Amino acid sequence: AQKITQTQPGMFVQEKEAVTLDCTYDTSDPSYGLFWYKQPSSGEMIFLIYQGSYDQQNATEGRYSLNFQKARKSANLVISASQLGDSAMYFCAMRESGMNTGFQKLVFGTGTRLLVSP
Amino acid sequence: DTAVSQTPKYLVTQMGNDKSIKCEQNLGHDTMYWYKQDSKKFLKIMFSYNNKELIINETVPNRFSPKSPDKAHLNLHINSLELGDSAVYFCASSQDGSAGKRSYEQYFGPGTRLTVT
Repeated sequence: AQKITQTQPGMFVQEKEAVTLDCTYDTSDPSYGLFWYKQPSSGEMIFLIYQGSYDQQNATEGRYSLNFQKARKSANLVISASQLGDSAMYFCAMRESGMNTGFQKLVFGTGTRLLVSP
Repeated sequence: DTAVSQTPKYLVTQMGNDKSIKCEQNLGHDTMYWYKQDSKKFLKIMFSYNNKELIINETVPNRFSPKSPDKAHLNLHINSLELGDSAVYFCASSQDGSAGKRSYEQYFGPGTRLTVT
């Protein structure tokens, strides 16, 4: 069963508008974490934001915020005031922890391609 | 200074050859990973090492053999390359979570694009 689901293969937004990229997850582990990474056309993976399952507040990093709804198992990324440079693939990922917190692996969604137009 | 570096960035080779990709991190992290990104951009973990010990080994053909000479290096050796091995291979590293939530972040290398002809 897919553990991370990104239902939007592509999204379009106009510059300066806000956009929400959807992510739902599935886990029975009480301790987990959710990440968003950006992959521009140059190919590198850029960390954007992290939300731990026990974090009381939604994570924010500059123009990025994570709308974490634990009961719905969703962790949507909100980008405010989109810029042309935000055009990229965006991946949601979940940290699955083992018995040792150092033993973690990321399970990725299929990604959403965001295109920001002038 | 580059945090996670990989060499080479591009690798073009013929079927049946053996090749290696090298990865080094200068972040002092304990854990390193190899991920494969296929042509559809899907990223999947292959291996993880913690302090030079293999801790995650996903369902990967045994033609792929990771080697960690020390905790700053994790190399990937691939024997008898096949067309289906063509992909982008990412190395990553992380600290454990004991230093705060940001320490869960995995830092990725720039990727190695492997093309098997």
